[in-house]
Amino acid sequence: DQQVKQNSPSLSVQEGRISILNCDYTNSMFDYFLWYKKYPAEGPTFLISISSIKDKNEDGRFTVFLNKSAKHLSLHIVPSQPGDSAVYFCAASVYNNNDMRFGAGTRLTVKP
Amino acid sequence: DAGITQSPRHKVTETGTPVTLRCHQTENHRYMYWYRQDPGHGLRLIHYSYGVKDTDKGEVSDGYSVSRSKTEDFLLTLESATSSQTSVYFCAISESRQVSNQPQHFGDGTRLSIL
Repeated sequence: DQQVKQNSPSLSVQEGRISILNCDYTNSMFDYFLWYKKYPAEGPTFLISISSIKDKNEDGRFTVFLNKSAKHLSLHIVPSQPGDSAVYFCAASVYNNNDMRFGAGTRLTVKP
Repeated sequence: DAGITQSPRHKVTETGTPVTLRCHQTENHRYMYWYRQDPGHGLRLIHYSYGVKDTDKGEVSDGYSVSRSKTEDFLLTLESATSSQTSVYFCAISESRQVSNQPQHFGDGTRLSIL
């Protein structure tokens, strides 16, 4: 039973445009959400996170939006750069619990 | 980058053989984790450790055992490997139990193929 779902396996955007990656979750107990970025032959690296008490968190070109009522979050990358091409994983956890549940990932390709 | 070394990076073995993967950290973090990554599933937690000799099961622990005799080393063992355990295995570390305090940092993975 996959509690975190990324329904788009891949996304392709033009350099300079916005990339929007989506994530849905089913467990209403999740209260902290993270995005990880992964390049080939490397481990995932932490990108940005958001607590359930917020609906937006911004860090440079990256913004995560959380819609608790819809159990949906999204990662916006503006502007997109070729170096952003990677697999992006959404993850969720419950407070005081280090058990993260990951989505299957979305492969982003940014074309020059 | 967090000092995490996984060994071996690649391994091919046969069904029924025992396999041990090693994760070594230089950060002195209390928590260590083993995940597997499979297409369509993302990363799934196998086992984790919250201190020397203290371990607990994760989401997909069947067929795996772990040991942590030193703070810096966390071993994952497949007692009798099966083809369904062909995967990429990632080790992760963190100082805090709560991911909100500190996200987990990952090693570069071990690609394991069981024929």
